[in-house]
Amino acid sequence: EDQVTQSPEALRLQEGESSSLNCSYTVSGLRGLFWYRQDPGKGPEFLFTLYSAGEEKEKERLKATLTKKESFLHITAPKPEDSATYLCAVGGGYNKLIFGAGTRLAVHP
Amino acid sequence: GAGVSQSPRYKVAKRGQDVALRCDPISGHVSLFWYQQALGQGPEFLTYFQNEAQLDKSGLPSDRFFAERPEGSVSTLKIQRTQQEDSAVYLCASSLVSYTEAFFGQGTRLTVV
Repeated sequence: EDQVTQSPEALRLQEGESSSLNCSYTVSGLRGLFWYRQDPGKGPEFLFTLYSAGEEKEKERLKATLTKKESFLHITAPKPEDSATYLCAVGGGYNKLIFGAGTRLAVHP
Repeated sequence: GAGVSQSPRYKVAKRGQDVALRCDPISGHVSLFWYQQALGQGPEFLTYFQNEAQLDKSGLPSDRFFAERPEGSVSTLKIQRTQQEDSAVYLCASSLVSYTEAFFGQGTRLTVV
């Protein structure tokens, strides 16, 4: 059964303190690994898609990497506006996303 | 429109009441998805449409849940005889051709009392 596990559940950082979020997955044939950001009261906002081990993508202070078993979302010198829940998902079947429970990130000034 | 629009934003229903949740996808998007998100959890897949065809409804929790997209644009998720366990945020997403670039709406928060 396809499964996604994210850790930690919650993370508190000081502004400028870099860290990484983990997403481990088991899937029968990876059809993409997705990262989304979700702010309170809003729908998920697409960040990245990764397809193969070794692939990396960057956007501002965020960098996503992928291995055969897990993905990391690295946050460099975070700012308070990076506070949100970060969701990881894998493509399941040909039409659905299977999400993890998310990591709640709080960045304090 | 500029994004995926869902209405209402909030819905309070008495147990046993029927509800209908609406989704207006981005114009021209072929694929439409419904997800259910419980508090503190990630979204869970409910159903998928390609144009007006419902190709996957494997995630619908019971036969009380029904979704339609009769003209291949607006979609409605209907829940009959609501139960307390149906309380959640219902998210709609659309994409041009595949789930890889899906855009989500803000969701409808359903509370069953």
